[in-house]
Amino acid sequence: QLQLQESGPGLVKPSETLSLTCTVSGGSISSSNYYWGWIRQPPGKGLEWIGSMYYSGSTYSSPSLRSRVAISVDTSKNQFSLKLSSVTAADSAVYFCGRQQGDNGWPRWVDYWGQGTLVTVSS
Amino acid sequence: DSVMTQSPDSLAVSLGERATINCKSSQSVFHSPNNKNYLAWYQQKPGQPPKLLIYWASTRESGVPDRFSGGGSGTDFTLTISSLQAEDVAVYYCQQYYTPQFTFGPGTKVDIK
Repeated sequence: QLQLQESGPGLVKPSETLSLTCTVSGGSISSSNYYWGWIRQPPGKGLEWIGSMYYSGSTYSSPSLRSRVAISVDTSKNQFSLKLSSVTAADSAVYFCGRQQGDNGWPRWVDYWGQGTLVTVSS
Repeated sequence: DSVMTQSPDSLAVSLGERATINCKSSQSVFHSPNNKNYLAWYQQKPGQPPKLLIYWASTRESGVPDRFSGGGSGTDFTLTISSLQAEDVAVYYCQQYYTPQFTFGPGTKVDIK
């Protein structure tokens, strides 16, 4: 059974960089036809897609966050990571990692989710 | 970007009754070459991550009870719970994946009347 687990600091200071890692177990991050993505959810609010990437390096990200987002993968550790720079209080949210089915070379729906990790931006 | 809207914001349905949630996309998510609608539905219970229910607008994910069904095409879609169970209390989200600028609807909360 595929499992994903987010890890990283729960508190980040304004203007600093938020860094999270998602560890995948029960399957290989290098499997063909799967993408790996990040989605966030501010407390009490809806879901916002952040970005997705394929293990070979193809990356997609939300236009509203693109200038601040970097997603990378470490196939040797079966992990992928998110870096979000210049954070503000508006970036406080539960951050989920997930596996996305690939179709015709693009990521599609999320079929496996991590449990999520709460990140608070505060001094 | 496609903007997704959902209606109603919340609804309360008696146990065993039907619940219907609407989702509308600002742009069509229908791809005529493969005759598919690029839309998914998720269920999220408090304190849990979302769970995939339906993709391609009407294909149930493995293990999802058949009381959940998806319909619609183009810009207008529905998620129907044919006979509401207590464990179906949750927030339901639609998501378009027509382009890799994925957008979710704002969610519809379903409760027991």
